[in-house]
Amino acid sequence: EAQVTQNPRYLITVTGKKLTVTCSQNMNHEYMSWYRQDPGLGLRQIYYSMNVEVTDKGDVPEGYKVSRKEKRNFPLILESPSPNQTSLYFCASSLGAGLSGANVLTFGAGSRLTVL
Amino acid sequence: AQSVSQHNHHVILSEAASLELGCNYSYGGTVNLFWYVQYPGQHLQLLLKYFSGDPLVKGIKGFEAEFIKSKFSFNLRKPSVQWSDTAEYFCAADTGGFKTIFGAGTRLFVKA
Repeated sequence: EAQVTQNPRYLITVTGKKLTVTCSQNMNHEYMSWYRQDPGLGLRQIYYSMNVEVTDKGDVPEGYKVSRKEKRNFPLILESPSPNQTSLYFCASSLGAGLSGANVLTFGAGSRLTVL
Repeated sequence: AQSVSQHNHHVILSEAASLELGCNYSYGGTVNLFWYVQYPGQHLQLLLKYFSGDPLVKGIKGFEAEFIKSKFSFNLRKPSVQWSDTAEYFCAADTGGFKTIFGAGTRLFVKA
């Protein structure tokens, strides 16, 4: 089954304790992206990756890091989490970007993170 | 800066009522437009999309949307909603680059 898998789905942590949210897709998609969803703000892009070893900042990158060492994986790293990073996080992937229609996003199930 | 605005944050309807959710985007060039839906406890999934051609696009579950370029709008419609349409709906736009911008979302609650 074609899917985007995120782990963990739920996590409660404390301020300053490094954590990683993993994301993996099995569709050979070139493009991957991380979003956070907050009430009243919709989905805001954190980071995205056009291909292996190619990443760039989205709209809200502060406090996050990413890496793309393999095409299928795109982990989100919070080096020193703070309470304002409490949110629902979504990983998404697509075939690629462009006006051809290839950028329909497939989303993971979401990871709900609470930072105390 | 590009942005997507959704007019209503919360909508409550009775079953069989008609639905129209507003969406406006700010970008003067060629744009791809989407509506995604998030049913309770489920992934975000594509409802419908517009890339080019006929400005009236049809999606799953009887939804449709009309692209009106002169108004920078892409409103979502359904003639008769069902209880199972209760969900959060997101309008999104991209300009063929690497950034899809989402609106704030509209929570729809359909009363049985």
